[in-house]
Order: sequence, then structure tokens, then C-alpha cells
Amino acid sequence: EPEVTQTPSHQVTQMGQEVILRCVPISNHLYFYWYRQILGQKVEFLVSFYNNEISEKSEIFDDQFSVERPDGSNFTLKIRSTKLEDSAMYFCASSEGNQPQHFGDGTRLSIL
Amino acid sequence: ELKVEQNPLFLSMQEGKNYTIYCNYSTTSDRLYWYRQDPGKSLESLFVLLSNGAVKQEGRLMASLDTKARLSTLHITAAVHDLSATYFCAVDWVSGSRLTFGEGTQLTVNP
Repeated sequence: EPEVTQTPSHQVTQMGQEVILRCVPISNHLYFYWYRQILGQKVEFLVSFYNNEISEKSEIFDDQFSVERPDGSNFTLKIRSTKLEDSAMYFCASSEGNQPQHFGDGTRLSIL
Repeated sequence: ELKVEQNPLFLSMQEGKNYTIYCNYSTTSDRLYWYRQDPGKSLESLFVLLSNGAVKQEGRLMASLDTKARLSTLHITAAVHDLSATYFCAVDWVSGSRLTFGEGTQLTVNP
């Protein structure tokens, strides 16, 4: 069964540094998403991407964050000038639209 | 702002027992999803409910949706240890839109 693939599985970064989280969505999916989950809390929406542009973003997704689809397969989340509170599990998801979103295994981001 | 509330947040039950998890949401939507998450793992899609009165069953789990009451239930029948996990309900507006998640119900099934 096709899967959403995320790399790396764990990223440790010094506060103030930039990180790029990578995702390969399922190949025939059109909608792409990033969510985050702070340890022990619920899953929070960050941003959705459709037709090569951001379709929706939450209040969390401020100027510190950006997304890109640099080629036909990858979907990246960049976090600039990381803060301690950015430590979380970041999930990428993709969907065909009227079907459930399929989630990757996540990247655990630890900011020191 | 769409709000999604689950209860209970923590559920400890014995094997063989039945129980129901409730998911309430604040605005009109007829699209609701249930996901399972094992500790440190990703979210696994369990059920997709896309209309009022929808009922889906898989093994010992059955999910239903009442859009008029803005309520979904996840019923567990004759629980087994393998069902121990956190269960999330989530709602979206239209095809392709964001998912808004509930807080999750952490289920522990004891032998």
C-alpha cells in the first residue's frame, strides 16, 4: 500500500537554527498538509497545499514557517530561527480530496 | 472556530467489556474521521463518516455519525489488549480542507 514518507525521523537542532523537514506524499494525491503534535497534546493543523500554492494556514503558521514543493515528489516544511516551543512531532499528510488524509510516521523535532 | 471535544480523555477498561467514546463538534459538518495512534507512532485511519446516520464497523470497533446532534460515537465491543491506543476524532469542512482534531481518548485495556 502506498505510504507518505517523512525524513528525518528525528532532528535535533540548536535554538535559532533553521530546519527543513521533508515529505514524499502518495504519488496520485493532490492535497498536502503539515500538522504538529506537541508531546501529550492533540494534533494541530499548520498548513495545506494544493495546486502549487498554500490553500489554508493556521495562526501557528507565521512568518517563521514556509512550505515548498520543489519538484514533483517532495513537500518540505522549513522552520527558520527555531525556538524551544517548536519542539514537537511534525506530521505530513496527503489526500485525494474526498478520502481520509494519510499520515506519515512523523519527524520528531527537538530544539535545544 | 470549529471545536471538537472528546470524552472521556482517559479510559481504562477490562478485556471483554464494552464502552463508547464520544466526539462532539461545534459547527455543522457531515464529515468526520476516526484515527488511532499508538505511542510514538503515526495516525492510522480507522473510519470515514461522510453523511448523517453513517455507521461503519471494523472488527470490535463501530463508529456512527449524527450530524444533527453534531455527535459521533466509537463503540468498542468485547475489548482486547491490542485495542490499547489513543483514539482521535477529527472533522473537516469540505474535501481537501484542514482536519480539526479532538484531544484524543487514551484507551488502556487491562487483562
